[in-house]
Amino acid sequence: NAGVTQTPKFRVLKTGQSMTLLCAQDMNHEYMYWYRQDPGMGLRLIHYSVGEGTTAKGEVPDGYNVSRLKKQNFLLGLESAAPSQTSVYFCASSAKLAGGPGTGELFFGEGSRLTVL
Amino acid sequence: KNEVEQSPQNLTAQEGEFITINCSYSVGISALHWLQQHPGGGIVSLFMLSSGKKKHGRLIATINIQEKHSSLHITASHPRDSAVYICAADYTGTASKLTFGTGTRLQVTL
Repeated sequence: NAGVTQTPKFRVLKTGQSMTLLCAQDMNHEYMYWYRQDPGMGLRLIHYSVGEGTTAKGEVPDGYNVSRLKKQNFLLGLESAAPSQTSVYFCASSAKLAGGPGTGELFFGEGSRLTVL
Repeated sequence: KNEVEQSPQNLTAQEGEFITINCSYSVGISALHWLQQHPGGGIVSLFMLSSGKKKHGRLIATINIQEKHSSLHITASHPRDSAVYICAADYTGTASKLTFGTGTRLQVTL
């Protein structure tokens, strides 16, 4: 049972380059999230999705775009990478909406370490 | 502002010791999550609780709604418990915006 899988796990970009992080979950979860983790700070929500075809902004959405064309996949895109986007990115999914009524357990991927030079 | 504060930031213990990690939050949560993150690894959900106490193996999580405080206890600690432990508050009315603490780094030595 794979759970939540993120690819790639490591990537180095130059400023201005673009890239896409892929998150795939096999638990048939409705809700998916992208977080970033920076030293000395708690996880921060970038974007989230409440179902196929939907996306919404989180706490730190600037510089990122997302798409949820299929229920099992949630893509995070950086159109023009900046050094401030150097971080570890985590995808998560839940059966219920995290932060709302009836919060469900979150399932996380292994993380993707991105360095922007 | 909804915040989550954890203490201590760093904790070193010897194998077998009883460990307590604390988490304080503001009013109005619907649930409190405890997560575990191993070095270089992913994040695993340990507990989600809104009242009382939950136990899983050597891990115990408690929450006191009146005092706005939760604790994670590890009994008979082992080096494999070495990890960062994160609490996250599920504030009612802030859809999909869990507020995370900065984590407690635990090292258990032989």
